[in-house]
Amino acid sequence: DTGVSQDPRHKITKRGQNVTFRCDPISEHNRLYWYRQTLGQGPEFLTYFQNEAQLEKSRLLSNRFSAERPKGSFSTLEIQRTEQGDSAMYLCASSLLGEGNNSPLHFGNGTRLTVT
Amino acid sequence: GQQVMQIPQYQHVQEGEDFTTYCNSSTTLSNIQWYKQRPGGHPVFLIQLVKSGEVKKQKRLTFQFGEAKKNSSLHITATQTTDVGTYFCAGRGSGYSTLTFGKGTMLLVSP
Repeated sequence: DTGVSQDPRHKITKRGQNVTFRCDPISEHNRLYWYRQTLGQGPEFLTYFQNEAQLEKSRLLSNRFSAERPKGSFSTLEIQRTEQGDSAMYLCASSLLGEGNNSPLHFGNGTRLTVT
Repeated sequence: GQQVMQIPQYQHVQEGEDFTTYCNSSTTLSNIQWYKQRPGGHPVFLIQLVKSGEVKKQKRLTFQFGEAKKNSSLHITATQTTDVGTYFCAGRGSGYSTLTFGKGTMLLVSP
């Protein structure tokens, strides 16, 4: 178990620029989640994939955000035309679909985005 | 939408004192999970509760799931400095695949 890997660890960008983050889940895990966390808050759900299919997106998610998981392995999260309010820690997590929906999430170390 | 609330937001205790954090959901949950996040780290899974009224123990940590499956608690007996961090509950509603996290309770333990 090599854990969930996220790249980059930190990203500083100017407002209006596009950014892309990558997540490599635990290899045998078929579910992959993106969460966002700001200071003093819990992780906020953004979207999740089961294999390559994107099954759910948060209704709060702006259309500037898009995620892909083309081959059911790694995933990318792109934010277009970044705004200062996008500054946050972006967490990726993976899980193995087991009985019902009871699988725990394994989080990566996150990508910290700062929009100036 | 589903909401999960945690209290208190923050607690500072002396080493050896007990600590409890409470979690309440606006809807009935199919299961609830607890995570711990150390300062500068990422959330790490602690435990999952599924059954109404379930109680689970991990050494000094005791987790409970309410009879109505809408609330949960985490109790730490005789805290240690290694318990420092933020404890999150995360609930999954019936028919949902995603977890909704509470805002967490930050625990600070002074030696």
